[in-house]
Amino acid sequence: KNQVEQSPQSLIILEGKNCTLQCNYTVSPFSNLRWYKQDTGRGPVSLTIMTFSENTKSNGRYTATLDADTKQSSLHITASQLSDSASYICVVRRDNAGNMLTFGGGTRLMVKP
Amino acid sequence: DVKVTQSSRYLVKRTGEKVFLECVQDMDHENMFWYRQDPGLGLRLIYFSYDVKMKEKGDIPEGYSVSREKKERFSLILESASTNQTSMYLCASSYRGKEEQFFGPGTRLTVL
Repeated sequence: KNQVEQSPQSLIILEGKNCTLQCNYTVSPFSNLRWYKQDTGRGPVSLTIMTFSENTKSNGRYTATLDADTKQSSLHITASQLSDSASYICVVRRDNAGNMLTFGGGTRLMVKP
Repeated sequence: DVKVTQSSRYLVKRTGEKVFLECVQDMDHENMFWYRQDPGLGLRLIYFSYDVKMKEKGDIPEGYSVSREKKERFSLILESASTNQTSMYLCASSYRGKEEQFFGPGTRLTVL
């Protein structure tokens, strides 16, 4: 069964601290993995995309990693800001699946001052 | 900037009512999608459309129908709303051949 599991479900950290969100998937065959950020009351917005050959990719204070062998990805947030408070969703696209995506349940991050 | 808009941010309906959710995108995207989002379940695909008048069932199409009469507009219809359809509904669109989807702000539907 094609699944995407994220952990933790929720996380509270202090402003300025770092954190790492995890995504494990069983989707096969794998095409790519994308991390979305969803602010409260808004739709998800893409942060970064990882393909099979990429191990790490950064977008400002966000760094995503991918281990295609263990089918794991992580999103590391450095020097967190209050505006990082959001849900982070891991989405995996199956190869030859057209527009079909498998979404993780998301990690809800709260950054407190 | 891609803009995907949804007709309502919040909607309250009664059981048995017919409900229309509208989605409009301004980037000439061929593909449009309707998802529902429930806590802990992630986004689940209800229906998608890859062209005008074309539609495909997603993972959970039961109780829903869709309409795509114009390229920029994709409507989700609940023929007879039920309480288990209380959810956040998200519309998305993308270019054909490009898998990045751009999402609207969502409609939080409550069925009483």
